[in-house]
Amino acid sequence: EAGVAQSPRYKIIEKRQSVAFWCNPISGHATLYWYQQILGQGPKLLIQFQNNGVVDDSQLPKDRFSAERLKGVDSTLKIQPAKLEDSAVYLCASSFGTGNTEAFFGQGTRLTVV
Amino acid sequence: SQELEQSPQSLIVQEGKNLTINCTSSKTLYGLYWYKQKYGEGLIFLMMLQKGGEEKSHEKITAKLDEKKQQSSLHITASQPSHAGIYLCGADQGSNYKLTFGKGTLLTVNP
Repeated sequence: EAGVAQSPRYKIIEKRQSVAFWCNPISGHATLYWYQQILGQGPKLLIQFQNNGVVDDSQLPKDRFSAERLKGVDSTLKIQPAKLEDSAVYLCASSFGTGNTEAFFGQGTRLTVV
Repeated sequence: SQELEQSPQSLIVQEGKNLTINCTSSKTLYGLYWYKQKYGEGLIFLMMLQKGGEEKSHEKITAKLDEKKQQSSLHITASQPSHAGIYLCGADQGSNYKLTFGKGTLLTVNP
């Protein structure tokens, strides 16, 4: 079974530029999560989708971050414009989503903003 | 305040020693997940606990959830260098299966 795929693996941009990350969840998984993990901290949930609807985006900085999950499958997370403090690993995860089932994580995208 | 507290923040042990990592919640845990992470990589699922008093084991790793469902421990027996990494507890605290994570415990195992 293929795992959660994320791209790119690494990205370096200058502040005020824009960037987009892509995630393809495990086939059949209804729930998709985007997490931000700053060095030395645990992952922080940015947004949670159930199929193509948003369940929780309370910690998403909506003035600069946006995410979509068209057709309830893959998803993109965008930052525009980026700030230095956005430097982090962005993790995508998916789960079957109909109860307490484990979430499977991708390898993450390491973003460096200079 | 941090909803999930992990302790210790870091741990250095000699190969062959036993160790325990704790995860404490300020809220009732409806699901508790243990993950392992290598630096800069994704999280690898270890175990999930749901019922008060539940205990699960996989190879040399055992996880328990207390009866009150507010604290979990992860115990590694006879540690090996391959156990080194960051251990994260994640929890569903009753909000749409939203997974909240602790800050992690960095484990170093010296040969």
